[in-house]
Amino acid sequence: GAVVSQHPSWVICKSGTSVKIECRSLDFQATTMFWYRQFPKQSLMLMATSNEGSKATYEQGVEKDKFLINHASLTLSTLTVTSAHPEDSSFYICSASNRDEAKNIQYFGAGTRLSVL
Amino acid sequence: GEDVEQSLFLSVREGDSSVINCTYTDSSSTYLYWYKQEPGAGLQLLTYIFSNMDMKQDQRLTVLLNKKDKHLSLRIADTQTGDSAIYFCAESIPSGTYKYIFGTGTRLKVLA
Repeated sequence: GAVVSQHPSWVICKSGTSVKIECRSLDFQATTMFWYRQFPKQSLMLMATSNEGSKATYEQGVEKDKFLINHASLTLSTLTVTSAHPEDSSFYICSASNRDEAKNIQYFGAGTRLSVL
Repeated sequence: GEDVEQSLFLSVREGDSSVINCTYTDSSSTYLYWYKQEPGAGLQLLTYIFSNMDMKQDQRLTVLLNKKDKHLSLRIADTQTGDSAIYFCAESIPSGTYKYIFGTGTRLKVLA
């Protein structure tokens, strides 16, 4: 149980285009989803937290107009990188958590590697 | 402030035990976790411990928590080459969203 699917796993796009990444909880209801960015050989950097049906909470320094997050249902959250540029190339990972479960465990997707040309 | 530190690299021989250490600064954390990340992949939950416990064992994994010193460790018994990966500790902060603070990650290399 507790499977999180992230799609696509790899995307290459041209500079100036927008890219949407999906994160789905397959067998549980995700009251909260998190979006992270990971640079090579570094730890995960939290970008934003989203609760189903409400606006995402962005971490300091993360542009909300650049990284649009939607969490319209208890099983799906999307991250859209708008007008992507080469500096947005990175590994993006989502996680999902069920707040009703007391242990606050986050279950992670497999990640999306974004390359902006 | 929030800061979770780990040593960057650990190398062990196959069959030996591995001990990965983690120090944290936020004493309000409720749960602490260990995750494994293989190259190009997401994070796999290995185990977790409630902040009021001092030890948890799960097959080859033993977690020790010293709350007074804010020190967490993960011991892997009989380490195998498949255990080679990056290991992250994380603490859950009761900040409303219970977001994680991740450690810097320890790269474990198991030599055959």
